[in-house]
Amino acid sequence: GAGVSQTPSNKVTEKGKYVELRCDPISGHTALYWYRQSLGQGPEFLIYFQGTGAADDSGLPNDRFFAVRPEGSVSTLKIQRTERGDSAVYLCASSLTSTEGYGYTFGSGTRLTVV
Amino acid sequence: QKEVEQNSGPLSVPEGAIASLNCTYSDRVSQSFFWYRQYSGKSPELIMSIYSNGDKEDGRFTAQLNKASQYVSLLIRDSQPSDSATYLCAVRGGYQKVTFGTGTKLQVIP
Repeated sequence: GAGVSQTPSNKVTEKGKYVELRCDPISGHTALYWYRQSLGQGPEFLIYFQGTGAADDSGLPNDRFFAVRPEGSVSTLKIQRTERGDSAVYLCASSLTSTEGYGYTFGSGTRLTVV
Repeated sequence: QKEVEQNSGPLSVPEGAIASLNCTYSDRVSQSFFWYRQYSGKSPELIMSIYSNGDKEDGRFTAQLNKASQYVSLLIRDSQPSDSATYLCAVRGGYQKVTFGTGTKLQVIP
């Protein structure tokens, strides 16, 4: 596609529920990144994929968070047993490669609200 | 110590002036440095990248890098009200992931 597409744009869920956030990167971009951003903060790294594999998942806060990219294109971020502290904007970005020098293109984000 | 540090601002400059935004980073092996602009309620947008010591100019924007001092800055010449946004400094370290600062809010006063 022309840009990074994220769905849904907004998600309100009850505490304890399971949610899935989807990211469709720019066609041909092999590197895909998930970040989350809280109000007044910079984006916080969660995980990045090079192709189908998670090359670095060191930012996932705990085992309630999981992400997949089974065919090396679309990625899904999954959050189990959501907590109010998970409320944030979840940003997906892609780049041509993960090597030096390539900046990201971000999607418009999914605003997750846990009530 | 935070990996990427920025003054949160707000930085207020009059229209037409030069805005100077600063950033320091802690990881000495960092090789790539980026500036993103983020309008309120929008996603970050890449505006500059720099990899070598010195200056890099693109239109009204100049990025400056000093690896010895672990310092990177962004200058915006002839600031316009449309430049009012939060500017995020980002650094790619030795493990490929990019780490962001908390951003500096810039206000350009007409």
